Amino acid sequence: DSGVTQTPKHLITATGQRVTLRCSPRSGDLSVYWYQQSLDQGLQFLIQYYNGEERAKGNILERFSAQQFPDLHSELNLSSLELGDSALYFCASSLSTGRDIHFKQYFGPGTRLTVT
Amino acid sequence: DAKTTQPPSMDCAEGRAANLPCNHSTISGNEYVYWYRQIHSQGPQYIIHGLKNNETNEMASLIITEDRKSSTLILPHATLRDTAVYYCIDSRGSGGSNYKLTFGKGTLLTVNP
Repeated sequence: DSGVTQTPKHLITATGQRVTLRCSPRSGDLSVYWYQQSLDQGLQFLIQYYNGEERAKGNILERFSAQQFPDLHSELNLSSLELGDSALYFCASSLSTGRDIHFKQYFGPGTRLTVT
Repeated sequence: DAKTTQPPSMDCAEGRAANLPCNHSTISGNEYVYWYRQIHSQGPQYIIHGLKNNETNEMASLIITEDRKSSTLILPHATLRDTAVYYCIDSRGSGGSNYKLTFGKGTLLTVNP
């Protein structure tokens, strides 16, 4: 158990719909990262938040957005869903002190999104 | 981003040491080497990281060559539960605030009974 929780575990929805994935980081971790894992693209970084502020963006689609709340939990919003958005979505968190520690990330169990 | 090269797959007998190689010939002086693993569809799990010196923890050992162009992750006594995809990642932060992990395809280690 990494200490990172994600809900829901599974999500099945139709094309064109909007969904919200939720992540609670480990206690004390200020940074939250979102990753997408699809069969053809592998694990890809989407976005990072640090203490409520967006810090870095990867290849995140404009239809996707995220935020981190004052209690440090984060939500990833996916809208106008397409079949190709079907994937595993992982959230990770890390401590905020020391450069190398940021790369020591703890991953949640993921949310499996299926778009039909 | 700097890239790493790993063999796509390896086999290991249960109870034997598993040695997983990684080439990171473009790594720069202040970049760390990180190892993660992913057991089927679970979230990736941090294993170990190092800069120049060899490192050991309860999970594995990391041997980094003197020129830092390659490293080897050693699982001293592999078990069936170590069957997973192992990722070697070099840390490439930018501007002090981008700490994304760039995953390649990794090595699928299969531990056989």
